[in-house]
Amino acid sequence: GAVVSQHPSRVICKSGTSVKIECRSLDFQATTMFWYRQFPKQSLMLMATSNEGSKATYEQGVEKDKFLINHASLTLSTLTVTSAHPEDSSFYICSARTLSGNTIYFGEGSWLTVV
Amino acid sequence: GQNIDQPTEMTATEGAIVQINCTYQTSGFNGLFWYQQHAGEAPTFLSYNVLDGLEEKGRFSSFLSRSKGYSYLLLKELQMKDSASYLCAVKDSNYQLIWGAGTKLIIKP
Repeated sequence: GAVVSQHPSRVICKSGTSVKIECRSLDFQATTMFWYRQFPKQSLMLMATSNEGSKATYEQGVEKDKFLINHASLTLSTLTVTSAHPEDSSFYICSARTLSGNTIYFGEGSWLTVV
Repeated sequence: GQNIDQPTEMTATEGAIVQINCTYQTSGFNGLFWYQQHAGEAPTFLSYNVLDGLEEKGRFSSFLSRSKGYSYLLLKELQMKDSASYLCAVKDSNYQLIWGAGTKLIIKP
């Protein structure tokens, strides 16, 4: 079964609204979670690294005020896409690293469509 | 810069063996991952290598040579469900994952 749960799996929202995506590690604690974005037929693109209890580290070119990340506990990180636009439509994937750092598990991914 | 190279696409026959290569140039090395990703789905973990040598896990094996900056994923007794993209990722000195672009594997009957 899944060890990292991501919710919702699919969401459609209107342009200008905000959407929150949750990422939960089910069987382990994760001090570090990662948020990726993937466009069709392209590789994963790291957006930000989320550390429990501290601010997320964003990759160059990713707007921190638009993609809000909160890692409030050792098992939950959230990504909020604020003031969504159609170009934000994409597949968003989270992953969580085990405390040993040896394994990184991925959530099921969330398809976001902004209309 | 940091770079991970994998073939873009490979084709193999059901029941056969295929080897997917991955070469890397990164700032530091703290492990190499292989993931399988079916179209429209999130990647699933296949293997993790941090020491040189071959790790066998059922039909899948992964090999690492740190001195050569090289790894391969070996898939045996190919099944149609193995048609997917295979992603190589290296954990660098900052424990960041550097991703390859993935190898699309097409299995033919």
